[in-house]
Amino acid sequence: SQQGEEDPQALSIQEGENATMNCSYKTSINNLQWYRQNSGRGLVHLILIRSNEREKHSGRLRVTLDTSKKSSSLLITASRAADTASYFCATALAHNTDKLIFGTGTRLQVFP
Amino acid sequence: DVKVTQSSRYLVKRTGEKVFLECVQDMDHENMFWYRQDPGLGLRLIYFSYDVKMKEKGDIPEGYSVSREKKERFSLILESASTNQTSMYLCASSLGRRGNIQYFGAGTRLSVL
Repeated sequence: SQQGEEDPQALSIQEGENATMNCSYKTSINNLQWYRQNSGRGLVHLILIRSNEREKHSGRLRVTLDTSKKSSSLLITASRAADTASYFCATALAHNTDKLIFGTGTRLQVFP
Repeated sequence: DVKVTQSSRYLVKRTGEKVFLECVQDMDHENMFWYRQDPGLGLRLIYFSYDVKMKEKGDIPEGYSVSREKKERFSLILESASTNQTSMYLCASSLGRRGNIQYFGAGTRLSVL
């Protein structure tokens, strides 16, 4: 399996509900980032969490990082239809920060 | 705001053609990247560059080359396009080499017939 794998692959919820996406990775990281991609468009950076951080917030987003389990989660609270998109985690490896390694993404559908 | 501009949103080319995908960023970023994105495979790195005239192979460089003659411009070249290079191509840039945030263009959807 790849360095970054998101779970679930797809998620459907109603507006107002919370959405949780998970990311697992294999090797030690410098930081982990979450990106959003609207259909047919480029990726937009959401949040970055460093390896020595455990939790970070940005608006309705909450990211946690557990380096002992090599996993991260992205929580979107009070989801809106406009949150419908694909979400990707990306890791910068501890021994090679020249590039990011992206997972395969979670496709989130929020129904009005 | 950082702006990364890809020259075309959609391209249709024929097998065997030489194809140029252009990317320009306006924030004086050192690093630039080319990815391709296919359903179920996520983003895969083709090439990246951390300075003018410097390039590094990514995970899937076969069939591609790149050019970076100026800091703001990074070109992806398909020397002889093939049908298996039909994909979405994404360009990105970042400041520095410490796993920093990447800024993406809108993407080029290339179809090779």
